[in-house]
Amino acid sequence: DQQVKQNSPSLSVQEGRISILNCDYTNSMFDYFLWYKKYPAEGPTFLISISSIKDKNEDGRFTVFLNKSAKHLSLHIVPSQPGDSAVYFCAASTQGGSEKLVFGKGMKLTVNP
Amino acid sequence: DTAVSQTPKYLVTQMGNDKSIKCEQNLGHDTMYWYKQDSKKFLKIMFSYNNKELIINETVPNRFSPKSPDKAHLNLHINSLELGDSAVYFCASSPRGVAASYEQYFGPGTRLTVT
Repeated sequence: DQQVKQNSPSLSVQEGRISILNCDYTNSMFDYFLWYKKYPAEGPTFLISISSIKDKNEDGRFTVFLNKSAKHLSLHIVPSQPGDSAVYFCAASTQGGSEKLVFGKGMKLTVNP
Repeated sequence: DTAVSQTPKYLVTQMGNDKSIKCEQNLGHDTMYWYKQDSKKFLKIMFSYNNKELIINETVPNRFSPKSPDKAHLNLHINSLELGDSAVYFCASSPRGVAASYEQYFGPGTRLTVT
């Protein structure tokens, strides 16, 4: 049972344009959400997070939007750069829980020069 | 200076063997984790230790046994390896604290191939 879903396996965008990566979740107990970025042959690295008390969090070129009623979050990257080409994982957790992260399947982003 | 390191990076072994994967973190974190990324690319938690104490134990076969000699190390021992154990295993660590603990720092992964 996938509690965190990334339904699109890949996305290709041109350098300088916006990349929008989507994530849906089913567990209404989730209240903390994170995005991780992964390059080949490396471990995932933390990118940005958002608590359920917010609907937007911004860090430089990266912005995460949370729509709790729709159980949906998205990661916007603008402007996209070739170095952003990687697999992006959405993850969710419950505060006060056991610090367990539930990950989506990942989405491969390719930014073309 | 590597924050979370794992050895070996690649491990090829035959069915029935016993093998170990080592993990060390130099971030001073209290909590460490083992994740498995299978062929379908899902990253799933297996175990979590906090200050050498087991706090998360997912439904993992008891052939898998984590061992934490100190809070900077979390090793994974696998007995009687099976074909289905082939995967990439990631170690991770996080600092203590309600919000901070969610930002986990991952090692480079160990690709285990069972033949």
